[in-house]
Amino acid sequence: AQSVTQLDSQVPVFEEAPVELRCNYSSSVSVYLFWYVQYPNQGLQLLLKYLSGSTLVKGINGFEAEFNKSQTSFHLRKPSVHISDTAEYFCAVRTNFGNEKLTFGTGTRLTIIP
Amino acid sequence: NAGVTQTPKFQVLKTGQSMTLQCAQDMNHEYMSWYRQDPGMGLRLIHYSVGAGITDQGEVPNGYNVSRSTTEDFPLRLLSAAPSQTSVYFCASSYSQGSYNEQFFGPGTRLTVL
Repeated sequence: AQSVTQLDSQVPVFEEAPVELRCNYSSSVSVYLFWYVQYPNQGLQLLLKYLSGSTLVKGINGFEAEFNKSQTSFHLRKPSVHISDTAEYFCAVRTNFGNEKLTFGTGTRLTIIP
Repeated sequence: NAGVTQTPKFQVLKTGQSMTLQCAQDMNHEYMSWYRQDPGMGLRLIHYSVGAGITDQGEVPNGYNVSRSTTEDFPLRLLSAAPSQTSVYFCASSYSQGSYNEQFFGPGTRLTVL
């Protein structure tokens, strides 16, 4: 079975500063990796996904993530954050065969400080 | 397209009461699922369905029932509510069983069991 670890439950960042949200996964087989964002009182929205190919993945709203197989990581980055990026971010993993079951991390709450 | 819709948005129940959380999608998606979100635990899969007439259990199925009589609808039933079922519930859908397909989430139902 696969698992996801998001070590940082909360990350405060000053506006226009860079941010990195960490995600590590564990799986005995190849996986697909995802980052979702949840704005206050809303459902989850896909930010970006890694399926195959280039290990640097670009998503919406200026976010990007890099898949590192040797370190089993998929960290999310943004070079300059805005107030509107305040949200909770979830990393998720799914095995690359058969079923649709997503395994989510516990989430990281990103707070932007003006 | 309305996407994935959920009703109600908020619900308060007393212990032992029953209710049905409604979920509908208008994207002709085969795959639908229910998650619950609890603080510090991320999202956990309750039940899922790969098509009309086919359902299966996820990670935390106890206390919940589902059925899938149509492609569009996937209701979640609580037969005898317990305080441990206080949570935010999300319904999600995706086009098919392929692991690369994005899951679309509804806005959620916030349930409190007293």
